[in-house]
Amino acid sequence: EAGVAQSPRYKIIEKRQSVAFWCNPISGHATLYWYQQILGQGPKLLIQFQNNGVVDDSQLPKDRFSAERLKGVDSTLKIQPAKLEDSAVYLCASNYVRDWRGYTFGSGTRLTVV
Amino acid sequence: GENVEQHPSTLSVQEGDSAVIKCTYSDSASNYFPWYKQELGKGPQLIIDIRSNVGEKKDQRIAVTLNKTAKHFSLHITETQPEDSAVYFCAANRGSQGNLIFGKGTKLSVKP
Repeated sequence: EAGVAQSPRYKIIEKRQSVAFWCNPISGHATLYWYQQILGQGPKLLIQFQNNGVVDDSQLPKDRFSAERLKGVDSTLKIQPAKLEDSAVYLCASNYVRDWRGYTFGSGTRLTVV
Repeated sequence: GENVEQHPSTLSVQEGDSAVIKCTYSDSASNYFPWYKQELGKGPQLIIDIRSNVGEKKDQRIAVTLNKTAKHFSLHITETQPEDSAVYFCAANRGSQGNLIFGKGTKLSVKP
């Protein structure tokens, strides 16, 4: 089966600019996650969707970050305006509802804010 | 809030030796503990997991042990090979919320 697809792979922007990331989960996976991984740290959950509804966005900086999953499949994560501390790898993961073994990550988007 | 602590942050071993990475968790409701391997430029990949009703699980050269009373779980890699070099993350589920909290990672280097 195809894996979790993410694009772009790399992005460099100046602070205060906006940026968007795209994720296409594994077919049939109802749950989709966005994680932020700062260099040298473990992934930190930003937002969790089940189908097109938000399950957990408690750690999403809502003043600058937004995410949507309009048709319960693809998802986009946006940052506006970006700050230097947003430099990180943004990972998308998906799984069947409560199927822990199916928790599969994409390769991520590496964002550098200069 | 919920937390997962992981030690050591770096580990260097000779090829053929064993490697052990340890984690502790804080959420008493956690009942699923996976381990992920992350190679440079790639997303984390699941290598082994354990549920709270099991104390130990083994898959070829890797094994995981769980002590629910102490809230500890560990990854054991035997007969290490250079291709085992990577960053390893432990994780625990956040109760019923269906997402994972990750440790900060251990960079394992296996020297030939």
